[in-house]
Amino acid sequence: DQQVKQNSPSLSVQEGRISILNCDYTNSMFDYFLWYKKYPAEGPTFLISISSIKDKNEDGRFTVFLNKSAKHLSLHIVPSQPGDSAVYFCAASEETSGSRLTFGEGTQLTVNP
Amino acid sequence: DTAVSQTPKYLVTQMGNDKSIKCEQNLGHDTMYWYKQDSKKFLKIMFSYNNKELIINETVPNRFSPKSPDKAHLNLHINSLELGDSAVYFCASSPWDGYGYTFGSGTRLTVV
Repeated sequence: DQQVKQNSPSLSVQEGRISILNCDYTNSMFDYFLWYKKYPAEGPTFLISISSIKDKNEDGRFTVFLNKSAKHLSLHIVPSQPGDSAVYFCAASEETSGSRLTFGEGTQLTVNP
Repeated sequence: DTAVSQTPKYLVTQMGNDKSIKCEQNLGHDTMYWYKQDSKKFLKIMFSYNNKELIINETVPNRFSPKSPDKAHLNLHINSLELGDSAVYFCASSPWDGYGYTFGSGTRLTVV
């Protein structure tokens, strides 16, 4: 019963191009969504988040889009840089569950110079 | 100065042993967590403590026992280790509302 899914285990893009990472969820009670970035041998680090009352949130090169009707969110990175190469985790939470995060399985992004 | 530090980083041990993983945070956060990343790479919550009080306890074997001596520490003790316990364990902390998680760098546990 995986409530957050990232169906692409890996993505490879050229430096300077756009990277689009996708995430789907099944629990309609989720009201807050986050993206985390993880380098090898390190813990996940927070990247960007979005509340369910919004459909877009932007922070520099990173933009997260939320489509509640489709239960889908995506992370856009423009332009992609080699240092962006990492595993990206999508996560979601619901107000009634307190501070519990439900994670997807991650997508390995590789940005080629 | 590491915000959330956990030790050890690597732990190799034999089946049946008892081991502990320690976690400390210096962010002044009220809530601390243990997450497990299994072989399929999913990060799943195990426990959550708020001000030393257990608030989330997922379906985890009772061989796993968290202990929070104070708000800044949450240790994980595992009894009678099994092969299936091999995973990466992440400690994390956040303010009381759950926004702004900070993770430790993980402890890779290998049971042989």
